[in-house]
Amino acid sequence: EPEVTQTPSHQVTQMGQEVILRCVPISNHLYFYWYRQILGQKVEFLVSFYNNEISEKSEIFDDQFSVERPDGSNFTLKIRSTKLEDSAMYFCASSSGRFYEQYFGPGTRLTVT
Amino acid sequence: ELKVEQNPLFLSMQEGKNYTIYCNYSTTSDRLYWYRQDPGKSLESLFVLLSNGAVKQEGRLMASLDTKARLSTLHITAAVHDLSATYFCAVDSGGLNEKLTFGTGTRLTIIP
Repeated sequence: EPEVTQTPSHQVTQMGQEVILRCVPISNHLYFYWYRQILGQKVEFLVSFYNNEISEKSEIFDDQFSVERPDGSNFTLKIRSTKLEDSAMYFCASSSGRFYEQYFGPGTRLTVT
Repeated sequence: ELKVEQNPLFLSMQEGKNYTIYCNYSTTSDRLYWYRQDPGKSLESLFVLLSNGAVKQEGRLMASLDTKARLSTLHITAAVHDLSATYFCAVDSGGLNEKLTFGTGTRLTIIP
């Protein structure tokens, strides 16, 4: 069964460093999303992406964040200068565009020290 | 601002008992999603409810949607330990392929 994959599973970085989180959505899906979940809290929307551009972004998704689909299979989230409060689980999701369901990847746990 | 509220936040119940988790939302969307999350794991889609009066069942879980009341319920029948997890409801904004707004989650613990 097709699934969304994410790498790395865990990333530890120092404050101020850049990180890139990678996702491979389900191959025939057209819509891509990033969400984050701070430990013990609810899942929050960051950004949605369609047709090589951002469809919508939340207030969390400030100038430090960017997304890219560099090669037609990967979908990346970059944080330019990480802060302590960026520590969270980051989930990538994708949907086909024909149905409403979003499929989530296993997540990347980002720890900023 | 779209709001999604779940209750209870924590639920501890004995095996074999029945219980219901409630999800209230403020959007006019007719679509409601239920996800399960095990500790440290991703979100597993349980149900997608697409219209008023929709009811879906899978094993011991049954979800329903009342769009007029903006309320969805997740009913657990004869709970077993394997159902211990956090359950999230989510709604979209009404359009196609839009973001999901999640509730606070209900952490369910089934006690033998």
